[in-house]
Parts: sequence; C-alpha cells; structure tokens
Amino acid sequence: DGGITQSPKYLFRKEGQNVTLSCEQNLNHDAMYWYRQDPGQGLRLIYYSQIVNDFQKGDIAEGYSVSREKKESFPLTVTSAQKNPTAFYLCASSLLDRGTYSNQPQHFGDGTRLSIL
Amino acid sequence: KQEVTQIPAALSVPEGENLVLNCSFTDSAIYNLQWFRQDPGKGLTSLLLIQSSQREQTSGRLNASLDKSSGRSTLYIAASQPGDSATYLCAVKLAGPGNQFYFGTGTSLTVIP
Repeated sequence: DGGITQSPKYLFRKEGQNVTLSCEQNLNHDAMYWYRQDPGQGLRLIYYSQIVNDFQKGDIAEGYSVSREKKESFPLTVTSAQKNPTAFYLCASSLLDRGTYSNQPQHFGDGTRLSIL
Repeated sequence: KQEVTQIPAALSVPEGENLVLNCSFTDSAIYNLQWFRQDPGKGLTSLLLIQSSQREQTSGRLNASLDKSSGRSTLYIAASQPGDSATYLCAVKLAGPGNQFYFGTGTSLTVIP
C-alpha cells in the first residue's frame, strides 16, 4: 500500500541530545513537509522540500535541521538548540504544484510524539 | 502572513444532527483549501479539497463550501454519527510561488450517541 511512514511513534530526548525523526513515503511525491503540533495550536511548518537536495525553512525552523538526499526520505533532526521540543511531529507529502499536478492534496503520516526525559 | 481561524474550538451534538464547522482566512489569494480529520494521537486524513475556482465539494455526508472573497469555508456534516467524533482542521495554500499550507487550530467534534 502507498503511504507515509513515520518512525518511531514515541521518542524521548535527553538534555543536550540531538534526535532524528524518520519520514519515508512511497507515493512518488515530489514535495515533503514537517509540521509541529502543540495542544491548542494549529500545525506549524518547520521545513519543506520540493525536490531532492533542496529544502526551505518554514515558520519555526530554529533548532531543527533536515536533509533530502532521496525523493522518498525526509528526516528531521531536533537539535539541542531546540529548547522546547516536546510536541507531536507530523510529516506530509504532496505532488508538486506544477500546473499539471495543481491542487493535489497533502497526505500525512501517523506522527511521532517527542518528549523530554 | 496568512492567518486561519476555526470557530468553534469545540462542539458537542447529539447523534443524527446536521452540523456546520467554520474556517476563515485573512488572505483571499488562495490556491486551494483542504479539510482534514484528525483522530487522537494520529495523523491527518484528507476529507475534501476545494480548488480556488470551485464553490463546493461533496463526499458522502460531507459538503465543503468556499467563499474566497469573504475568506470563509464551511464543512457541513449531515446526519452525524458517533464515528464522526474527531478534530477537524482546515488548511489553505496560497497562490504564487512556494508550496506552503497554513492550518487552522481545529474544531474538536463530539457526537453523543
């Protein structure tokens, strides 16, 4: 089945530690996104990537880093510089808006819940 | 910057009732608007996507409308069922370069049997 797989489902971070969240998709989508969801707030965009080896900062990129070495994969690293990392992290993908693929919906993974030890 | 608001934040209705969820956005230059459903601890499931040139979209008991000029969208759920209980979010994509979506804070719906 085609879809987006996020792992792990739960993750704990110690002080000063970097952790990496995995996101893999087999939908052949060009664009991939990372969002952070906090209680009472909407999803906020951390980073997005429209093609391999290229990515753009979203509204809350500080303390996070990403890479896009393969079309299928878009891992997110939460660095020690992110002082409030506890949140629900969601990965999404979509076909790129190129006119022909316009108005394609976003598809989401099941999320990773990150907590501080 | 695009601001997306959803009112009410929470809603409880008895089973069988028809209901309307609201979504408003500040920048009317949107490319499309998407409605999602989120169950507790889960990711988002796409329900309906309305292109900027469309007025509404329907899927089963769901109907979404879009009024770009007033910056509003509604999601109408007919004959609500307990299984409809979830958080509903709307997201807009701005026209122009970039591929960023802006999300509302969601409406938490409880359908009481």
